[in-house]
Amino acid sequence: DVKVTQSSRYLVKRTGEKVFLECVQDMDHENMFWYRQDPGLGLRLIYFSYDVKMKEKGDIPEGYSVSREKKERFSLILESASTNQTSMYLCASTPAGGPNNQPQHFGDGTRLSIL
Amino acid sequence: GENVGLHLPTLSVQEGDNSIINCAYSNSASDYFIWYKQESGKGPQFIIDIRSNMDKRQGQRVTVLLNKTVKHLSLQIAATQPGDSAVYFCAGNTGNQFYFGTGTSLTVIP
Repeated sequence: DVKVTQSSRYLVKRTGEKVFLECVQDMDHENMFWYRQDPGLGLRLIYFSYDVKMKEKGDIPEGYSVSREKKERFSLILESASTNQTSMYLCASTPAGGPNNQPQHFGDGTRLSIL
Repeated sequence: GENVGLHLPTLSVQEGDNSIINCAYSNSASDYFIWYKQESGKGPQFIIDIRSNMDKRQGQRVTVLLNKTVKHLSLQIAATQPGDSAVYFCAGNTGNQFYFGTGTSLTVIP
């Protein structure tokens, strides 16, 4: 069974801090994704990566960056946290092949609060 | 932007009844759709998928129907059980990513 693990379930940070959200998958998947989930808006794609050191912007990349130094790990970075980045963050992965023609495997999310 | 949405934000059904959850999409080029289940405190879990060359696909107690003419898909859950209580949302592909609906919260009444 695919396991996508997000390092923190809950996180509280202060405005202006640099925040790191970590995600690890154990199935040697090529594609990894970061979403945020807000009430009434559905999941929105922040960034995705289809290979080590490769990244593509999603719909809402502003204020975020990502890092993929190893295949199994995909990190989301909030460069200078702001209150409007308070949200649930979800990481997902898929095997090799197109990033949008197979089901994504999700972690259980990190609920981030920026004070 | 793309639009994938769900018709009703909430749905309550009696245990044992069938549930129908609906989803509409706007991009006629979308050719792959997924239904996810999200329980409280957990990440989305894959239920069933369908490609545009099909109009129906069945799984265990679940059926997905795709109507490309009106850009609509539905998830049917047979003999709904308390463990089916969750938020359900659809996703459709566009370009190189998915767009997700906002979800229907299903409550099963014992």
